[in-house]
Amino acid sequence: GAVVSQHPSWVICKSGTSVKIECRSLDFQATTMFWYRQFPKQSLMLMATSNEGSKATYEQGVEKDKFLINHASLTLSTLTVTSAHPEDSSFYICSALTGKGHNQPQHFGDGTRLSIL
Amino acid sequence: SQKIEQNSEALNIQEGKTATLTCNYTNYSPAYLQWYRQDPGRGPVFLLLIRENEKEKRKERLKVTFDTTLKQSLFHITASQPADSATYLCALGGGDSWGKLQFGAGTQVVVTP
Repeated sequence: GAVVSQHPSWVICKSGTSVKIECRSLDFQATTMFWYRQFPKQSLMLMATSNEGSKATYEQGVEKDKFLINHASLTLSTLTVTSAHPEDSSFYICSALTGKGHNQPQHFGDGTRLSIL
Repeated sequence: SQKIEQNSEALNIQEGKTATLTCNYTNYSPAYLQWYRQDPGRGPVFLLLIRENEKEKRKERLKVTFDTTLKQSLFHITASQPADSATYLCALGGGDSWGKLQFGAGTQVVVTP
């Protein structure tokens, strides 16, 4: 149970392109999802918290207009990297909470490798 | 600022031995601590959660301790197997950061036959 699917798993595109990444909870409803980015050998850096039906909460230093997050349903959150540039190349991972308790584990997707040429 | 430290050097261990990983933190009073396993190119997978009022948790061959005085958690893999080779991440949460976790950079474990 608690399967999170992330799509696509790999994207290569030209600079200036906007890229959308989907995060779906397959067998549960996720009121809260999180978006992270991870550089090689580094920790997961939280970008934003996504709550169904409301605006995402971004971490300090993350550009809201650059990384658009939409959580339109209880099973889907999307991250759109707008006008992507080579410095946006990274591994983007989403996670979801299955319930409402604050100390529960997060269930992660398998990430999206984004490469901007 | 809050800081979480895990040994950046890979831990090489022989099959059958116990691997012990350390997670130290500063400027933080977490209500709970979680450990995850991450394989290359994959998302983390949850392993264990331990709360601030718990000293030790076990799950099969895994054991976690949590010392809030030392601000440290130890993660043990007993009778290690080559399939245990992965990067292990500790993550802290609680307080006013509802549901959010702050992750360490992880320690790679390599178990050789």
